[in-house]
Amino acid sequence: AQSVTQPDARVTVSEGASLQLRCKYSYFGTPYLFWYVQYPRQGLQLLLKYYPGDPVVQGVNGFEAEFSKSNSSFHLRKASVHWSDWAVYFCAVSSSGGSNYKLTFGKGTLLTVTP
Amino acid sequence: EAGVTQSPRYAVLQEGQAVSFWCDPISGHDTLYWYQQPRDQGPQLLVYFRDEAVIDNSQLPSDRFSAVRPKGTNSTLKIQSAKQGDTATYLCASSPGWGAYEQYFGPGTRLTVL
Repeated sequence: AQSVTQPDARVTVSEGASLQLRCKYSYFGTPYLFWYVQYPRQGLQLLLKYYPGDPVVQGVNGFEAEFSKSNSSFHLRKASVHWSDWAVYFCAVSSSGGSNYKLTFGKGTLLTVTP
Repeated sequence: EAGVTQSPRYAVLQEGQAVSFWCDPISGHDTLYWYQQPRDQGPQLLVYFRDEAVIDNSQLPSDRFSAVRPKGTNSTLKIQSAKQGDTATYLCASSPGWGAYEQYFGPGTRLTVL
């Protein structure tokens, strides 16, 4: 069964500093991976997606993520954090192939931004 | 292009009451998902449809929860007799399906069961 672990429940970063949010996945085969962001009292918004190919993928608002098969990881990065990035970030994995299109989410990481 | 819409946005019930949630997916998306998101947790899949057919409802508490998508467009999720443990946000998502794995989420319905 597929699973996602986000080891950090909360990360605090100063505005303007760089950011890395960690994600480890478990999946037998080639995964499809996603990062979503959830602002207070809103649904999830897709930040970026990885389909098999280039391991570094670019997303919206300056976010990028790097897929590593050897480390079973898909960490999210941003070079310079803005106060508006304060939100909960979810990593998710989907199976590839066949007709199973279920997403499995991690528990999320709350990003807080200090002045 | 309009996004996924859900109603109501909020619901407050007493235990034992029934409630229905409605979802309108993005036009042309054949796959529709219902998730339960307890506070401070990630979304957990309840059921999903391709067109009007249920593909997976293995995580749906079948004694009290039901979901339909009769014409392959809008969908309704119903809780027959709510319990305090059902307190959560219920999210609907849709996907183009067949080769597209990303899902697009609605704003959710925040349910509180007293």
